[in-house]
Amino acid sequence: EVQLVESGGGLVKPGGSLRLSCAASGFTFSSYSMNWVRQAPGKGLEWVSFITSSSSYIYYADSVKGRFTISRDNAKNSLYLQMNSLRAEDTAVYYCARGYCTGGNCNFDYWGQGTLVTVSS
Amino acid sequence: DVVLTQSPLSLPVTLGQPASISCRSSQSLVHSDGNTYLNWFQQRPGQSPRRLIYKVSKRDSGVPDRFSGSGSGTDFTLKISRVEAEDVGVYYCMQYTHWPPYTFGQGTKLEIK
Repeated sequence: EVQLVESGGGLVKPGGSLRLSCAASGFTFSSYSMNWVRQAPGKGLEWVSFITSSSSYIYYADSVKGRFTISRDNAKNSLYLQMNSLRAEDTAVYYCARGYCTGGNCNFDYWGQGTLVTVSS
Repeated sequence: DVVLTQSPLSLPVTLGQPASISCRSSQSLVHSDGNTYLNWFQQRPGQSPRRLIYKVSKRDSGVPDRFSGSGSGTDFTLKISRVEAEDVGVYYCMQYTHWPPYTFGQGTKLEIK
């Protein structure tokens, strides 16, 4: 069974930093791309970042580019999101989502339960 | 970026009746490989999103056959043939033809009338 468990959320002041983790199990983590997607309280879904299985390709939403860094450790079956220079508008539940690439295109399927990040003074 | 516009945003439905959600794209979702890449996700209250449909009309494993996806080009539809109580939640379309970024519709909240 595919399991994705996020952790590392919490309350942080504007301008602060936080590192989110996503522990994966139930599948061969090193064979799959991964994503972070966020959802502000009471709002819709916003894709944040993508990383290929070998970390060769990385993409970010314009809203987080230059402030967030996605990474992974395939030996530890873990995905990370380093978030710096946090703003109030970054307040959201952050989900990791498993990706997969076929025929040159990439989609995602399974999601974790999410971790809440609150940016407030 | 591709903008996906869902309608309606709120959908009250009587149990056992059909429901339909529209998702319109700001540009064609036909990929250069000839395929069209659109997902539908369901988010039940207090839960994370669950994928129901991928590639416009392919149902994920374990998804009841009362859910179906259709459409082409810029117009897509999710249909529920007979709404059940467990279908309450918010439904999102998402395109993966023109990415990054992946983009989602605003969501449609389905409730029981």
